[in-house]
Amino acid sequence: NAGVTQTPKFRVLKTGQSMTLLCAQDMNHEYMYWYRQDPGMGLRLIHYSVGEGTTAKGEVPDGYNVSRLKKQNFLLGLESAAPSQTSVYFCASSYSGRKNTEAFFGQGTRLTVV
Amino acid sequence: AQKVTQAQTEISVVEKEDVTLDCVYETRDTTYYLFWYKQPPSGELVFLIRRNSFDEQNEISGRYSWNFQKSTSSFNFTITASQVVDSAVYFCALSEPMEYGNKLVFGAGTILRVKS
Repeated sequence: NAGVTQTPKFRVLKTGQSMTLLCAQDMNHEYMYWYRQDPGMGLRLIHYSVGEGTTAKGEVPDGYNVSRLKKQNFLLGLESAAPSQTSVYFCASSYSGRKNTEAFFGQGTRLTVV
Repeated sequence: AQKVTQAQTEISVVEKEDVTLDCVYETRDTTYYLFWYKQPPSGELVFLIRRNSFDEQNEISGRYSWNFQKSTSSFNFTITASQVVDSAVYFCALSEPMEYGNKLVFGAGTILRVKS
């Protein structure tokens, strides 16, 4: 039972390069999320999706794009990476968007932009 | 907007000591949920507990216990007889409504180091 799987686990980018982070969940969850974790700031929501084909902005969406072409996958794209995007990125999923629903998280992707 | 404060950045204890991790929150919602997650050295976030704003009963699960006090907007987490395997970053989180559904608002986390 894989749960939430993120690819890749580590990546180093040069400023201006682009990349896509892949998130896959096998729990048939409707909601999926991308968070970033920075020291002293906890996790902050970048974008989220309420179902296949739908996405919405979170708290810190600038510089990122997302797509959810299939229910089980949620992609996070960086078109032109900046050093400020150095962070640990977490994907999460939940079966609903109700406030009592816990989210299940992947293992994270550590991204360094030099 | 909602806010979660974990004032303790890092705590070090010796194995078998009891330790309490503090969490204070701010919200204008009348109905909300609070969560605790554990992030072990392997990196993933593991769900520990969920508590709704109408239930102020303390919860105990093995060596873990949680004290929710609405009057002080706190949801503290105590580990009894700590073990080295408890070493992790612990996050407190609060539900916040979004345009669609709800998200989790996280505190900054508390690093717990348990030494043998």
